This record gives sequence, C-alpha cells and structure tokens, in this order.
Amino acid sequence: GAVVSQHPSWVICKSGTSVKIECRSLDFQATTMFWYRQFPKQSLMLMATSNEGSKATYEQGVEKDKFLINHASLTLSTLTVTSAHPEDSSFYICSASYKLGNEQFFGPGTRLTVL
Amino acid sequence: GDSVTQMEGPVTLSEEAFLTINCTYTATGYPSLFWYVQYPGEGLQLLLKATKADDKGSNKGFEATYRKETTSFHLEKGSVQVSDSAVYFCALIGYSSASKIIFGSGTRLSIRP
Repeated sequence: GAVVSQHPSWVICKSGTSVKIECRSLDFQATTMFWYRQFPKQSLMLMATSNEGSKATYEQGVEKDKFLINHASLTLSTLTVTSAHPEDSSFYICSASYKLGNEQFFGPGTRLTVL
Repeated sequence: GDSVTQMEGPVTLSEEAFLTINCTYTATGYPSLFWYVQYPGEGLQLLLKATKADDKGSNKGFEATYRKETTSFHLEKGSVQVSDSAVYFCALIGYSSASKIIFGSGTRLSIRP
C-alpha cells in the first residue's frame, strides 16, 4: 500500500518550453502533496506544499509563477516548469500523505534536463 | 528552527563490516525521527522511524534508537552488504513544522565486495 508514482521518470526539453510532471497516489487519497527538488549529491529542498482544492504554499525563494502546482484531485498533483532554462535541470521528487502531519510517501522522482 | 546534522560522506566499507552513520537533531518538543534511503536514480524510501524517546526503529537489519538526552538517532547495521550502497538521509518532522520534513544533508555509503 501507499504507492506514489511520477510521470515521466525523465524528460529532456529545449530551453523556453514548459514541462509538466505528474504525481499520483495509486492506492490512497492524498489530501496533501509535497514537491521537492534535489541537486546532484545534495539533499532534498522542499519547493511547495499543496492541498487538494486549494492553492499551493511555496517555500521562500521558490518562484510560484515559474513552478506551477495544481492539486486538482485527491490522487493527482502536477508540477509545471514554465519557460524552462538549463538551470531548472534537476531531480524533482513528490511525496503524498493522507493528511497534514502524517507520514509522507515518496514518488520515484523525475529527472528534468533542459538543453 | 529545527535542523538535522548527519555525518558527511562518502563512507566506504567492506562487505560484512559494521556500519554507523551519526545523526543529531535540534528541535523543540518531541519530533518524529526518520531514516530514508535513496538508491541510485530513484526516489526516497522510508527505512525506519521512531516517534518517541527510547523508541527503536528497525528494518532490513538496520536499527536506530531515539535518544532524547543526546538528541541523536544514529543508524547502525551489524553486517553490511553490497546492496546497501545508497545515500542515507536522516530526517525529522517537528512539532511545529506542520508536517514538513527536515532532511539532513545525506550520507553516501559504498560497500566493497
């Protein structure tokens, strides 16, 4: 139980294009989902927290117009990197929890490479 | 604010060696403590957890004990295998952190056959 998937697992795009990453909770309803970014050989940095049906809460320093997060249902959250640039290349990981304060279950991650 | 400090890597050991990865934390109240493991190219997997003082989390031969007096949650394994090669993250969810996970910097572990 408590499986979280991400799609795609990797993506390569040209600079200036937008990329959407999906995060799905496969066997439970996730009222809260989190998006993290991980640079090579570094720890995870929380980007934003999203609750189903409401706007995401972004961490300080994260551009909300650059990283659009939508949590439209209890099993799906999307992260859209708009007008991607090479510095946006990174490993993006989502996690989901039954409710705020509960354990988070992590997806396998999406590697984004912007050329 | 809350924080986690873990020993820097990389750590390289021979197969069947004893492993300790140190982790200490700073937090108000009684946080929940976790160890996550990340295999190459993958996301994080919860390895073990402890939610109150003196609890011992264990899984796959790994153990960690929640020590409030020393604010520590060191990860140990008696006999490591090549398949244990990964990056290990110590983490906490604090009373005041609204379920946000605070991660340590990660420790890369490599096991030689």
